[in-house]
Amino acid sequence: AQTVTQSQPEMSVQEAETVTLSCTYDTSESDYYLFWYKQPPSRQMILVIRQEAYKQQNATENRFSVNFQKAAKSFSLKISDSQLGDAAMYFCAYRSGYSNFGNEKLTFGTGTRLTIIP
Amino acid sequence: SQTIHQWPATLVQPVGSPLSLECTVEGTSNPNLYWYRQAAGRGLQLLFYSVGIGQISSEVPQNLSASRPQDRQFILSSKKLLLSDSGFYLCAWSKSPDGWSQHFGDGTRLSIL
Repeated sequence: AQTVTQSQPEMSVQEAETVTLSCTYDTSESDYYLFWYKQPPSRQMILVIRQEAYKQQNATENRFSVNFQKAAKSFSLKISDSQLGDAAMYFCAYRSGYSNFGNEKLTFGTGTRLTIIP
Repeated sequence: SQTIHQWPATLVQPVGSPLSLECTVEGTSNPNLYWYRQAAGRGLQLLFYSVGIGQISSEVPQNLSASRPQDRQFILSSKKLLLSDSGFYLCAWSKSPDGWSQHFGDGTRLSIL
């Protein structure tokens, strides 16, 4: 079974600075997807970024980018120019790339609470 | 574009009462559907998922059940609620062309008295 580990329960960053959130995962599969989700105080789960394992290029979405190290099974999220609205819980998640019944679910990490200091 | 609707937004129920939470998706067909529960300050726990009408997989044995009466409708139910059923319930959908990204509803905050 796959596992996702977020070793930083809490992080803080000064507004306008850059912060990196860590995520590691364990899998024996070669085809999979990785995700970062953001959950602000409103508790809505918002997809931040997605990475396909077969792609060597790191995904980017505006101020959000990932550092995907497949051999190390590491998938960190970098937030540049941090803004007050970035304050939230951030969850890393894994999904198998094989479409067999039982592989459709996401495996989530325990989350990192990010605080933005004005 | 696809949208997901989940209701009610908040619910206060006495112990032993029944439960019905509803989730519908618009703008797509044959999505995978999911129910999650999140306790305060905790991560997401997958309760049920469905890859099609009548196909429900239960991840956690408990007094909850799920049904998918229509392609884009997913219902979470209980005959008798327990105090431990309190939490934040999230419905989500996903589909292959979207890289299997899961898209979540706004959630239901359930309080059991």
